[in-house]
Amino acid sequence: ELKVEQNPLFLSMQEGKNYTIYCNYSTTSDRLYWYRQDPGKSLESLFVLLSNGAVKQEGRLMASLDTKARLSTLHITAAVHDLSATYFCAVADWGGSEKLVFGKGMKLTVNP
Amino acid sequence: AAGVIQSPRHLIKEKRETATLKCYPIPRHDTVYWYQQGPGQDPQFLISFYEKMQSDKGSIPDRFSAQQFSDYHSELNMSSLELGDSALYFCASSLDRGSSYNSPLHFGNGTRLTVT
Repeated sequence: ELKVEQNPLFLSMQEGKNYTIYCNYSTTSDRLYWYRQDPGKSLESLFVLLSNGAVKQEGRLMASLDTKARLSTLHITAAVHDLSATYFCAVADWGGSEKLVFGKGMKLTVNP
Repeated sequence: AAGVIQSPRHLIKEKRETATLKCYPIPRHDTVYWYQQGPGQDPQFLISFYEKMQSDKGSIPDRFSAQQFSDYHSELNMSSLELGDSALYFCASSLDRGSSYNSPLHFGNGTRLTVT
């Protein structure tokens, strides 16, 4: 059974600082996604990572994937208050339906 | 660009009542997924459909059923509602894995179900 673990689950950081968050998964998969969710809102797609060594960047966020280690990182550069949200890592289950298994999510608070 | 449409946005029901949630996928998307997200929880997969056939099933209670119709919209039917069914219900759509390898699942805005 595919399990996805994120750490940390809560992060409070100052504006302007950098930080890396982690996502581990338990079984082989070929796709990993990062989503952002604001309170009570939908899931906004940030990144789709498909291959070992994939790196994608959008603004102050950069995501990478190491399929051999079954590890993805989401790096935050020079955080700003608008980045405050919950960030979910989700991994495609090779069961064939493309369903995603989500991590518990990381609640990020960026303080001015 | 068209997105996944869910209705209603909010729904309040009493215990033991029934509820029907609707989902209209992005045009040309043939796969629909339903997820349940409790307060402060991660989304949990309920059920999925591909080309109107059930393709996968997760932790969906027997009190719930779903189907996908000929126009690809989907409905989640929930009966004998319990307090614990209060949650955000998301629908997501995608193209079949083979032709949409690089695209994420697109999520709707969700239906917030409150059972009192």
